[in-house]
Amino acid sequence: SQELEQSPQSLIVQEGKNLTINCTSSKTLYGLYWYKQKYGEGLIFLMMLQKGGEEKSHEKITAKLDEKKQQSSLHITASQPSHAGIYLCGADSGKLIFGQGTTLQVKP
Amino acid sequence: NAGVMQNPRHLVRRRGQEARLRCSPMKGHSHVYWYRQLPEEGLKFMVYLQKENIIDESGMPKERFSAEFPKEGPSILRIQQVVRGDSAAYFCASSRDSPTNEKLFFGSGTQLSVL
Repeated sequence: SQELEQSPQSLIVQEGKNLTINCTSSKTLYGLYWYKQKYGEGLIFLMMLQKGGEEKSHEKITAKLDEKKQQSSLHITASQPSHAGIYLCGADSGKLIFGQGTTLQVKP
Repeated sequence: NAGVMQNPRHLVRRRGQEARLRCSPMKGHSHVYWYRQLPEEGLKFMVYLQKENIIDESGMPKERFSAEFPKEGPSILRIQQVVRGDSAAYFCASSRDSPTNEKLFFGSGTQLSVL
């Protein structure tokens, strides 16, 4: 079965700093999703990547899928306190499965 | 257009009682998914249903847990004879079509606490 590994597990950054979260799959990815979860709430969809080498951006968040389609990264530029939360990558495996999540704290 | 609605938001049960968690998908969505999230862990897939049918229940514990999505009404996740280890946040998601290349919309979850 497919497994997703995220790194780092947690991250504390100063406001204004850039950061990157990685997601590695045990199998080729046919659909890679990034979601964000705030404490005690449901998941909010950020982006979906399908093609090798694909890159998408929304506001200050950029997600990439590598050419081999086994790794994805999420990059946040000039982080703000509103970026704090848990970031989860998900993979289409007949159903959507998730990595264990990366908890981001942004210090003002 | 209302999002995915889950109720109750918080549910407290004593060991041995039954827990019923409800999920109303978004309008027009006929695919429903249940996930469980334990503290410090990611979301674990439990079951995928499409109106009246269970498509994939590979993540459901073999005993005490069941799920249904009737023709009319919400999807129900039922946990019989709850134990402390069942305490977790349970999330429901829905989609219009099968999950391949399809965005899932999530509810706010039900926090189950077993005393």
